[in-house]
Amino acid sequence: GAVVSQHPSWVICKSGTSVKIECRSLDFQATTMFWYRQFPKQSLMLMATSNEGSKATYEQGVEKDKFLINHASLTLSTLTVTSAHPEDSSFYICSARGTGANYGYTFGSGTRLTVV
Amino acid sequence: SQQGEEDPQALSIQEGENATMNCSYKTSINNLQWYRQNSGRGLVHLILIRSNEREKHSGRLRVTLDTSKKSSSLLITASRAADTASYFCATRPNQAGTALIFGKGTTLSVSS
Repeated sequence: GAVVSQHPSWVICKSGTSVKIECRSLDFQATTMFWYRQFPKQSLMLMATSNEGSKATYEQGVEKDKFLINHASLTLSTLTVTSAHPEDSSFYICSARGTGANYGYTFGSGTRLTVV
Repeated sequence: SQQGEEDPQALSIQEGENATMNCSYKTSINNLQWYRQNSGRGLVHLILIRSNEREKHSGRLRVTLDTSKKSSSLLITASRAADTASYFCATRPNQAGTALIFGKGTTLSVSS
């Protein structure tokens, strides 16, 4: 079955630093990847949609200069949280969608980001 | 963005009882999916129901879909303590290439 690997599973960083989260589709080509954020006891909120080779589309209220998304290949998308602040502490989850036989949405296991 | 509401927001039951969660959504959909999430963990896909289906079963799970009311329900029968988790519905809009949109979720607590 389709597998998406997300790393790291957790990270602690200092305020003002940047953190990169990777999302890889291991056995299929992900033409589209989605990034979600989940605050404690809340649901998943879509942050952005990225298509391979093009700029990401951000949801309203999500700062594109703060949350940099790169989808340079069909198997890898990265989310970089720049100049992190404690309020960026959250659970970040990626989802990948392929083409052809794999139209489903496959989720990574998530990254717990804590900014201190 | 979120599609809509789920109710109840929290549900506490005893082992062996049935748990029913409801989900409402706003736009036309291709399919609706239910996920489970244990505290602080990733998502586990439970079941998918297409827009032309009305009911689907998988083990102890039963899902219904009413597209006229834009609502779905998830029934877990004979619940177990291990079913304790948050449950989310997620809709796939008809528009191609769009993300799954999640409901607010129901937190289920099953006590033994």
